[in-house]
Amino acid sequence: QVQLVQSGAEVKKPGASVKVSCKASGYTFTSYYMHWVRQAPGQGLEWMGIINPSGGSTSYAQKFQGRVTMTRDTSTSTVYMELSSLRSEDTAVYYCGSGPNAFDIWGQGTMVTVSS
Amino acid sequence: DIVMTQTPLSSPVTLGQPASISCRSSQSLVHSDGNTYLSWLQQRPGQPPRLLIYKISNRFSGVPDRFSGSGAGTDFTLKISRVEAEDVGVYYCMQATQFPLTFGQGTKVEIK
Repeated sequence: QVQLVQSGAEVKKPGASVKVSCKASGYTFTSYYMHWVRQAPGQGLEWMGIINPSGGSTSYAQKFQGRVTMTRDTSTSTVYMELSSLRSEDTAVYYCGSGPNAFDIWGQGTMVTVSS
Repeated sequence: DIVMTQTPLSSPVTLGQPASISCRSSQSLVHSDGNTYLSWLQQRPGQPPRLLIYKISNRFSGVPDRFSGSGAGTDFTLKISRVEAEDVGVYYCMQATQFPLTFGQGTKVEIK
């Protein structure tokens, strides 16, 4: 079936980087852009950026420019989101989402905890 | 950035009664291609969000017909005709007309 499966929870120290993966299956990987959204504990949804799995082009929210990098591996139908210079405010669940209407499919979420 | 403002932020509803959520955008969501990329998402407790409605009024696959969306330009509404227990959660409106994509603050629907 159509699904996005994300990598497991991470605990990082301030200043470190984290790389979250999102593996697509059940559809043609290169057909739809992939978005990344995060949700801090008890808070709403925040869009981080988008990657075109076909050509690899990206667009990032201004807030994350310079700290986020989105990449893809077409051989494994996987996209990656790397966030650097982590701080406590980056503690959140990170989601990937895709589909013809942007968020037809969602990953299960990856909890990233930033703590010293 | 386009600001999305939802009202109310909390909606206690009696089972079987209707519920309505409003969403207003700070600028028109009509895209240059003529489409309006306004979606509604539902997030049940402890789960990822899921798509309910796209392009104002199109129900996503598997979404019950008690959910309906309407509106145009900058004003949009999600209606639940008869609330069921499984509808408890937080509802977000989202615009994808312009980068960055932005979400409303969320409206918590709970049973009275």
